[in-house]
Amino acid sequence: DVVMTQSPLSLSVTLGQPASISCRSSQSLVYSDGRTYLNWFQQRPGQSPRRLIYEVSKRDSGVPDRFSGSGSGTDFTLKISRVEAEDIGVYYCMQGTHWPFTFGQGTRLEI
Amino acid sequence: EVQLVESGGGLVQPGRSLRLSCLSSGFPFDVYAVSWFRQAPGKGLEWVGLIRRKAYGATAEYAASVKGRFTISRDDTKSTAYLQMNSLKTEDTAVYYCTKYSDNDPFDFWGQGTLVTVSS
Repeated sequence: DVVMTQSPLSLSVTLGQPASISCRSSQSLVYSDGRTYLNWFQQRPGQSPRRLIYEVSKRDSGVPDRFSGSGSGTDFTLKISRVEAEDIGVYYCMQGTHWPFTFGQGTRLEI
Repeated sequence: EVQLVESGGGLVQPGRSLRLSCLSSGFPFDVYAVSWFRQAPGKGLEWVGLIRRKAYGATAEYAASVKGRFTISRDDTKSTAYLQMNSLKTEDTAVYYCTKYSDNDPFDFWGQGTLVTVSS
């Protein structure tokens, strides 16, 4: 199985400051069709997960543009340019390239 | 409005069975795959399995932890997917979520989840 490793596992950020979460996979996430199926999810306290980013850098509609995804191959990053109070929660990366799909451990963002 | 509503959770004894449902609306159910996830109390997210659309044979893939015990099926006439869980173990205790899936738009909408507690 593809192992997804996130760092840090916990992140304390000041409001208005940037935040960055790293996600590394144990093998390349480039599929045979040339696309990279790497997703980022946010889970606010007490809520269902919400997709933020898919295919590395495609941001969902309704997701603020302060969120951005980047990376390639085995190394990916989620960045928040200026953290707001509503951003608290746990962030997960997940690969959808190889069966079985696998998640990172999650990164808890605190203010 | 796209909606996915999970139901069927509850308290069940180890070794018993339970079937979860995922009722969908607001999108053409038959052209999407459906995926199931779970989250044990206080833990991270885990992918459980996925069922393809009928055009791809409605075949399914599973996580190793549930393969042989869980079965995903779908009834396109009812816009509903099912997760049949047999031989339940205490470690299957979790909130179970369903999502719609396509290669171009994976896991974009999630249900509210249904809690399954496996305990004697």
